Amino acid sequence: NAGVTQTPKFRVLKTGQSMTLLCAQDMNHEYMYWYRQDPGMGLRLIHYSVGEGTTAKGEVPDGYNVSRLKKQNFLLGLESAAPSQTSVYFCASSATGTRNNEQFFGPGTRLTVL
Amino acid sequence: AQSVSQHNHHVILSEAASLELGCNYSYGGTVNLFWYVQYPGQHLQLLLKYFSGDPLVKGIKGFEAEFIKSKFSFNLRKPSVQWSDTAEYFCAVNARGAGNKLTFGGGTRVLVKP
Repeated sequence: NAGVTQTPKFRVLKTGQSMTLLCAQDMNHEYMYWYRQDPGMGLRLIHYSVGEGTTAKGEVPDGYNVSRLKKQNFLLGLESAAPSQTSVYFCASSATGTRNNEQFFGPGTRLTVL
Repeated sequence: AQSVSQHNHHVILSEAASLELGCNYSYGGTVNLFWYVQYPGQHLQLLLKYFSGDPLVKGIKGFEAEFIKSKFSFNLRKPSVQWSDTAEYFCAVNARGAGNKLTFGGGTRVLVKP
């Protein structure tokens, strides 16, 4: 099993450009998450999904949109990139229902917005 | 909303030294607690977790953590570190009733000198 995969691994954008980050998991997990990691701030939740076709806002959702059209995929979109969105983005997934689960993380996408 | 504080941002120590990383959270209810590790250039991996029962939890690679409910703390320890423990360590909390969402601390960068 590949676990959680993310594409691309690196990306450089100019201010105002758009892009989509793709997350895929092969563990049949119901829940998926998008985080951003910034120095000294840990990981902050952007959006999450508790099942196919559902999405919800996390701690820092502004400037991002997400979609969960298929259970195994969770897309993160930036409609008009800003330098403040320069960060490392991590996707994660977890099993459904139980409160005792752990989140499994992907390898990350390093995004630079010029 | 809950928050998680990690007291040390950077720790430098020599091989065979003992390590203790502090983690405090602010939430009055029942919590699940996690420590994740991120080795250089890699994604987050679970070190250990606490859901209930014995407050002293043993994880992988010789790490352990103790949950002290009265102090809202979940400190990570390792009696004797190795160079390969150089990494960033994140404490995370899931508050029961908050779904499966995790709140992360800001992380502690640990450098082990050979």
